[in-house]
Amino acid sequence: GAGVSQSPSNKVTEKGKDVELRCDPISGHTALYWYRQSLGQGLEFLIYFQGNSAPDKSGLPSDRFSAERTGGSVSTLTIQRTQQEDSAVYLCASSQRPREQAGNTIYFGEGSWLTVV
Amino acid sequence: AQSVAQPEDQVNVAEGNPLTVKCTYSVSGNPYLFWYVQYPNRGLQFLLKYITGDNLVKGSYGFEAEFNKSQTSFHLKKPSALVSDSALYFCAVRVTGFQKLVFGTGTRLLVSP
Repeated sequence: GAGVSQSPSNKVTEKGKDVELRCDPISGHTALYWYRQSLGQGLEFLIYFQGNSAPDKSGLPSDRFSAERTGGSVSTLTIQRTQQEDSAVYLCASSQRPREQAGNTIYFGEGSWLTVV
Repeated sequence: AQSVAQPEDQVNVAEGNPLTVKCTYSVSGNPYLFWYVQYPNRGLQFLLKYITGDNLVKGSYGFEAEFNKSQTSFHLKKPSALVSDSALYFCAVRVTGFQKLVFGTGTRLLVSP
């Protein structure tokens, strides 16, 4: 697609339920990232994928959070037993991986707005 | 460890006046610096980046930023602000070998008519 696509755009869930958030990166982008933005907070890194593997998952806040990527494309972020503090915008992003990686632009989706009630 | 500081939570400027949004960074190694903008209820949009070369970088919507290695700064500027520039601006840094972008806390820009 033309940009990073995320679904659902909005999700309201009850405390204790599991949720899945989906990300479709820009076609051809091998790197994929998940970030979280809580109300009034900055951007918190969660996990980075290169292809289907996740060399950096250091930002996942607890074992209730997991993510996977299949076919080097679509990624799913799963939050189990949701808590109210999980309410946030979950942003997915992707980038290419040429020889010089650090200068690559990372492109963000519109986010999935999660509210836990 | 990499870090980015945006010392101003909010910047207020009148339309037509020049604007500056400040960013300083701390890294080990050569920095790659980025500015993103976030409009209400939207994702982040890429504005510009510094990789190497000319210290003055031009980006989208008339924005530019100047890389200053001695002051470890990468301030965002625009010669003449528009009301439509009102948004949340994020500075970010990355170094070779580290894949994630590290973001500042964001600066809210408010341009008054």
